[in-house]
Amino acid sequence: GENVEQHPSTLSVQEGDSAVIKCTYSDSASNYFPWYKQELGKRPQLIIDIRSNVGEKKDQRIAVTLNKTAKHFSLHITETQPEDSAVYFCAASKYNFNKFYFGSGTKLNVKP
Amino acid sequence: DAEITQSPRHKITETGRQVTLACHQTWNHNNMFWYRQDLGHGLRLIHYSYGVQDTNKGEVSDGYSVSRSNTEDLPLTLESAASSQTSVYFCASSSGARKETQYFGPGTRLLVL
Repeated sequence: GENVEQHPSTLSVQEGDSAVIKCTYSDSASNYFPWYKQELGKRPQLIIDIRSNVGEKKDQRIAVTLNKTAKHFSLHITETQPEDSAVYFCAASKYNFNKFYFGSGTKLNVKP
Repeated sequence: DAEITQSPRHKITETGRQVTLACHQTWNHNNMFWYRQDLGHGLRLIHYSYGVQDTNKGEVSDGYSVSRSNTEDLPLTLESAASSQTSVYFCASSSGARKETQYFGPGTRLLVL
């Protein structure tokens, strides 16, 4: 099955700095890569996703990049704000199967 | 508004008891999933279903079962609760048909004593 590894497990940045979270996957057939944000005590919520036919996708301060050859993808958050503090999860899946394999999560702390 | 709900939100039980966690969605989604969340492990898939009468095992299915008798509900049963099953449980759903986004319920915090 698929194995998704996520790094770092914790990340602390100063408000206004950028944050980068990296994930690798093992199954070359995976072709959909979502990112979820989970605030303390809340449910995970989708913040951005990317499909394998695209190398990069942006949504305001958030971007995701995908390198299919190296089987890794990354989440980039620019101009971080205290409300970005949360746990972020990456995942990988294949279209037809729709099962998600999640990374172990990154706890992001944005210091004011 | 369409949504996904879980009940109960908190549950304390004793080892050996049977426990059922409910998940209900009103989006008419075909796909439903159960995950458990533990520190250091992220979200791990327990069971999933692609439609009525369809159920499949995930990566951590031992000691759990599900049934899908209608589109809206996928209850998760712990046959004989163990302390190792103390966790936060999330239900999720997606429409399928190449719309992969999974929407999560609010979670159930289960403590097995």
